[in-house]
Amino acid sequence: DTGVSQDPRHKITKRGQNVTFRCDPISEHNRLYWYRQTLGQGPEFLTYFQNEAQLEKSRLLSDRFSAERPKGSFSTLEIQRTEQGDSAMYLCASTGAAEETQYFGPGTRLLVL
Amino acid sequence: GIQVEQSPPDLILQEGANSTLRCNFSDSVNNLQWFHQNPWGQLINLFYIPSGTKQNGRLSATTVATERYSLLYISSSQTTDSGVYFCAVPPSQLRLAFGKGNQVVVIP
Repeated sequence: DTGVSQDPRHKITKRGQNVTFRCDPISEHNRLYWYRQTLGQGPEFLTYFQNEAQLEKSRLLSDRFSAERPKGSFSTLEIQRTEQGDSAMYLCASTGAAEETQYFGPGTRLLVL
Repeated sequence: GIQVEQSPPDLILQEGANSTLRCNFSDSVNNLQWFHQNPWGQLINLFYIPSGTKQNGRLSATTVATERYSLLYISSSQTTDSGVYFCAVPPSQLRLAFGKGNQVVVIP
């Protein structure tokens, strides 16, 4: 068990470009979460999957954001037409069916120029 | 939604000193987690502590759920304890709400 992994670790893009991030949860964890963290703040919830079903989305997740977990394993988070305000750390977490503790990945740090 | 407030926001410690970080939350919750975020951004689980007291090495935590607060104690602080400490509670079963964190700097 290697923990939650995220790819890429860093991404620099120009405003208006699309970006996609990947999260691989701890194996057999059926619940997966995406959070966003800006400088000086705590992480803020974006969306949640149980297996392949997306069960909750924050109002922070505008129409430019989409997340998928097609086979109930890894997940992707896509941001279309990026804006400078999207610059943040994007964190993924997972947890198993029988526990409450969330385990976080190392994050993807996005900078939109 | 639930409010999570952490104090103090910033703390500078001499190596070897002890400290207490506090987390207040505005509504009843059935669990609480403490995390340490290292300088590279990785969130490391410290405690899952819905109530009572737990200890792990030089760190210990106490949650008094009926009074809606939790405390994290750092004893004999080391420079590796530097970073941001976050308290998080679940307003629903589906997610965590985080405080703004306690920025801790331990100087040698």
